[in-house]
Amino acid sequence: KQEVTQIPAALSVPEGENLVLNCSFTDSAIYNLQWFRQDPGKGLTSLLLIQSSQREQTSGRLNASLDKSSGRSTLYIAASQPGDSATYLCAVSGSEKLVFGKGTKLTVNP
Amino acid sequence: GAVVSQHPSRVICKSGTSVKIECRSLDFQATTMFWYRQFPKQSLMLMATSNEGSKATYEQGVEKDKFLINHASLTLSTLTVTSAHPEDSSFYICSGTGGPDYGYTFGSGTRLTVV
Repeated sequence: KQEVTQIPAALSVPEGENLVLNCSFTDSAIYNLQWFRQDPGKGLTSLLLIQSSQREQTSGRLNASLDKSSGRSTLYIAASQPGDSATYLCAVSGSEKLVFGKGTKLTVNP
Repeated sequence: GAVVSQHPSRVICKSGTSVKIECRSLDFQATTMFWYRQFPKQSLMLMATSNEGSKATYEQGVEKDKFLINHASLTLSTLTVTSAHPEDSSFYICSGTGGPDYGYTFGSGTRLTVV
């Protein structure tokens, strides 16, 4: 059974810092890995999708890497801003279902 | 990018009535739709998976007669909460995918309050 773990559970940083969120998964037989953000009371916004054959994806200040063999992914956020404050969720897709980690709650302080 | 439109965003209903939530994939064909519920400060909990034209597959502990799911077309899925009770009050979110290569797109969620 696939299990996804995200570390840390919460992170508070001053504005402008570069930061790394970690995600690990137990079963490397995945189709893809997706990073989402969720703002309070809102749905999920997809940030980056990494196919199993890829090693990284970039979008603006965000960079996500995938090491399928070791079951790890990282989300790098450069020059963090208060608007980046949200819960970040890592999810892996295998067979039929999407399996989520419990998320990292990020607070970026002005 | 892919968009899933979910309506309504908020609904308040009286106990015993039914509520329908709609999710439409606007620019892709969602061969599979997923329905989740989320309690405050908790993770998403998968309720059911539906493939277009087929009966939904419900997760263990989810009452299929209470949470009716219809996925009649590749762009529309509905969740009907029947005979709603206060304990059904929650945040419901749908998600659609066109297949493993396309990732998952989520709706904006529906806050259901049963009074």
